[in-house]
Amino acid sequence: GAGVSQSPSNKVTEKGKDVELRCDPISGHTALYWYRQSLGQGLEFLIYFQGNSAPDKSGLPSDRFSAERTGGSVSTLTIQRTQQEDSAVYLCASSLIEGYNQPQHFGDGTRLSIL
Amino acid sequence: SQQGEEDPQALSIQEGENATMNCSYKTSINNLQWYRQNSGRGLVHLILIRSNEREKHSGRLRVTLDTSKKSSSLLITASRAADTASYFCAPGTGANNLFFGTGTRLTVIP
Repeated sequence: GAGVSQSPSNKVTEKGKDVELRCDPISGHTALYWYRQSLGQGLEFLIYFQGNSAPDKSGLPSDRFSAERTGGSVSTLTIQRTQQEDSAVYLCASSLIEGYNQPQHFGDGTRLSIL
Repeated sequence: SQQGEEDPQALSIQEGENATMNCSYKTSINNLQWYRQNSGRGLVHLILIRSNEREKHSGRLRVTLDTSKKSSSLLITASRAADTASYFCAPGTGANNLFFGTGTRLTVIP
């Protein structure tokens, strides 16, 4: 079946511009996560959606970052007024939620480069 | 910190040899998961071991868990060039998300 799909796969933009990154999770997965991975580093948690509950935004690094999930499926991560330190790979994951810490299924990420 | 810490940071072995990677963590866990990441790709879930389990196998993978020492190990037997990747452990602490470390970068030389 289809896995987690992210688009675009690569995005190059100028400092100060806004960007939108899209994630299409596995059908039926109620939990959706966004992570950021800087070059050679581990994953930094950004935000978590679970069903219709309020999202866990505790990992968002600044108010320039926001995310939404429409209809419990597709999610969009928006970065406003991008800075060079926002350059990273942004990974989305989804999981079934039948208890905490279920295996997560990842997309291949969006590689964001801020010039 | 709720994240796992992998050791070593990098490991280089010959094809056919076994590779062992270790993970240490600091908090109580429900489970511990191992993931693989090939260059330029997302993470792939390999194996989950519950806190009441001590050892688990999946194909050429063997995972051990010692909750008294707050440590886990991942053994890949008879390694192949295709096993070249970064490997991450993620303690399942009951939080909404998983906390990943910086990983072990494994290179298998043909």
